[in-house]
Amino acid sequence: DAGVTQSPTHLIKTRGQHVTLRCSPISGHKSVSWYQQVLGQGPQFIFQYYEKEERGRGNFPDRFSARQFPNYSSELNVNALLLGDSALYLCASQEAGNTGELFFGEGSRLTVL
Amino acid sequence: DAKTTQPTSMDCAEGRAANLPCNHSTISGNEYVYWYRQIHSQGPQYIIHGLKNNETNEMASLIITEDRKSSTLILPHATLRDTAVYYCIVRVLNSNSGYALNFGKGTSLLVTP
Repeated sequence: DAGVTQSPTHLIKTRGQHVTLRCSPISGHKSVSWYQQVLGQGPQFIFQYYEKEERGRGNFPDRFSARQFPNYSSELNVNALLLGDSALYLCASQEAGNTGELFFGEGSRLTVL
Repeated sequence: DAKTTQPTSMDCAEGRAANLPCNHSTISGNEYVYWYRQIHSQGPQYIIHGLKNNETNEMASLIITEDRKSSTLILPHATLRDTAVYYCIVRVLNSNSGYALNFGKGTSLLVTP
């Protein structure tokens, strides 16, 4: 069975641009979470979506937004990119919304120049 | 969620047991201890979790002290593939505020030949 898939794997943007990252959860999983991992740090929680509704939000500015589609895939959008947004963006899925282990994808590496 | 403290780095010889400590002195009665690891350039991987009893699975053992203020993850026969950053995380099992993991900085384990 396919694991969590993310696209694109790598991308380069310039300051002020917009980026959309995509995630497909494991089949049967209804919850998707997004994490940001800056070099040398552990992953930081951004959002969780369960059954297409936002269940949790981390301490990130409004430039960050996300949504979940009827097929449970998800998009993370970041507007007005800053140099500090350069990071590995990780998507994780789980079967239910508030329990069970997280299964992570390989991430999308974003570089902002 | 309670805060955790882990050593920054540890070394272990291949074939020996790797014992990774974690302090969580402010843990609450309904908070579980989770361990994830992250191999370089990959997404984090779930290892094990527990409440107060010792737990064992095919990957590792988790020993939680009686007062629950600290725990140890044990990899019984470390291999080179176990070289990774190991994260100890404390959280409520079923939180109504969503499922967010606070990864912290973790312990960088180096397994040497």
